[in-house]
Amino acid sequence: GAVVSQHPSRVICKSGTSVKIECRSLDFQATTMFWYRQFPKQSLMLMATSNEGSKATYEQGVEKDKFLINHASLTLSTLTVTSAHPEDSSFYICSARDSRQGKLFFGSGTQLSVL
Amino acid sequence: GESVGLHLPTLSVQEGDNSIINCAYSNSASDYFIWYKQESGKGPQFIIDIRSNMDKRQGQRVTVLLNKTVKHLSLQIAATQPGDSAVYFCAENMPGANSKLTFGKGITLSVRP
Repeated sequence: GAVVSQHPSRVICKSGTSVKIECRSLDFQATTMFWYRQFPKQSLMLMATSNEGSKATYEQGVEKDKFLINHASLTLSTLTVTSAHPEDSSFYICSARDSRQGKLFFGSGTQLSVL
Repeated sequence: GESVGLHLPTLSVQEGDNSIINCAYSNSASDYFIWYKQESGKGPQFIIDIRSNMDKRQGQRVTVLLNKTVKHLSLQIAATQPGDSAVYFCAENMPGANSKLTFGKGITLSVRP
């Protein structure tokens, strides 16, 4: 089956540093990828829609300058949490839509802890 | 098993019993619905989906029922096993060029041995 690889799976960083998370579709092309955020015991909240070759579309309340998204190829999207603070600590999950099938596949998530 | 709404955080069932997890979705224009299973520290795992032109779909040990009149979705798991213990989310998809999934609140299924 289709696989979405997300790295790193876990990252611990100091407050003020930037963290980059990668999301790769391994055996299909994805013109659209999505980034979600999930707090403990809560649901997934969509942060932004990443479109290959164009600017990401952010959901209301998500800071564009804080969460930089780049979707430079049909198989890779990156989320950079800039100047991370403890309140940014969360589980970040990406998903990729197979351009041919239209199905959505999820990465395994990244647990970000900001000290 | 017992039927609970997603406003209740945990459903506890005996191993071997059937489980029913319910979801009330929000948008009558949603055309596609998916149930996901999420284990601790992992991403969501696809279980089963259904399109809005259907009212029932069966998979292996799972059945999804859709009632568009009351905007209600349910997931039935037959002969629940310990490996079914996880958090379950329903998700709805709005059609269109910018279609995206919106997730429900989630419910924890706990299987008693």
